Amino acid sequence: GNSVTQMEGPVTLSEEAFLTINCTYTATGYPSLFWYVQYPGEGLQLLLKATKADDKGSNKGFEATYRKETTSFHLEKGSVQVSDSAVYFCALRGGYSSASKIIFGSGTRLSIRP
Amino acid sequence: EAGVTQFPSHSVIEKGQTVTLRCDPISGHDNLYWYRRVMGKEIKFLLHFVKESKQDESGMPNNRFLAERTGGTYSTLKVQPAELEDSGVYFCASSQEPLAGGPHTGELFFGEGSRLTVL
Repeated sequence: GNSVTQMEGPVTLSEEAFLTINCTYTATGYPSLFWYVQYPGEGLQLLLKATKADDKGSNKGFEATYRKETTSFHLEKGSVQVSDSAVYFCALRGGYSSASKIIFGSGTRLSIRP
Repeated sequence: EAGVTQFPSHSVIEKGQTVTLRCDPISGHDNLYWYRRVMGKEIKFLLHFVKESKQDESGMPNNRFLAERTGGTYSTLKVQPAELEDSGVYFCASSQEPLAGGPHTGELFFGEGSRLTVL
């Protein structure tokens, strides 16, 4: 079945450091890929997405490229801020309708030191 | 506009007791999902409602879990009797997307979750 594997946390970085959170997936066909983020005291919210191979999703300075050849969707940011401290979830959706459920990874907790 | 709201935010019960979690989706959202995250592991799908009908309940762990969505508005998830392994955070999410065959954003709107602790 479909699955998502992401790097274990916690990840602790200093402000302005470069961030990479690795995510790989297993899926049949051509899934859509997502990164969700959960800030402290809030629900999960969509950060960015990519729906086909070689697409790049971006938002709030974060980027991730859909790499079909390596089945990866790594999250990157060039210069992190304290406000980026949160739990990040990689996710995929295998179908093209709301009938196909979203499958999440285990989450990576990111802490940014001032 | 109000987001997805869940109640209670935290519940502590003893093994064998019953707990009912409630989710109020965003108004007008036909799709409602329940997910669970146990002990910092992955967020696992439990079930999906379209309006009042169960579209997919393949993730429900066993018959101690009962989900309802009467009238297609709010939903409840009852655990009876609760076991230790049921502890975790239960998330509800909603979306308004075409039911089949159409484009979708993939964006689910989540509540803050209900933390369940079974002692």
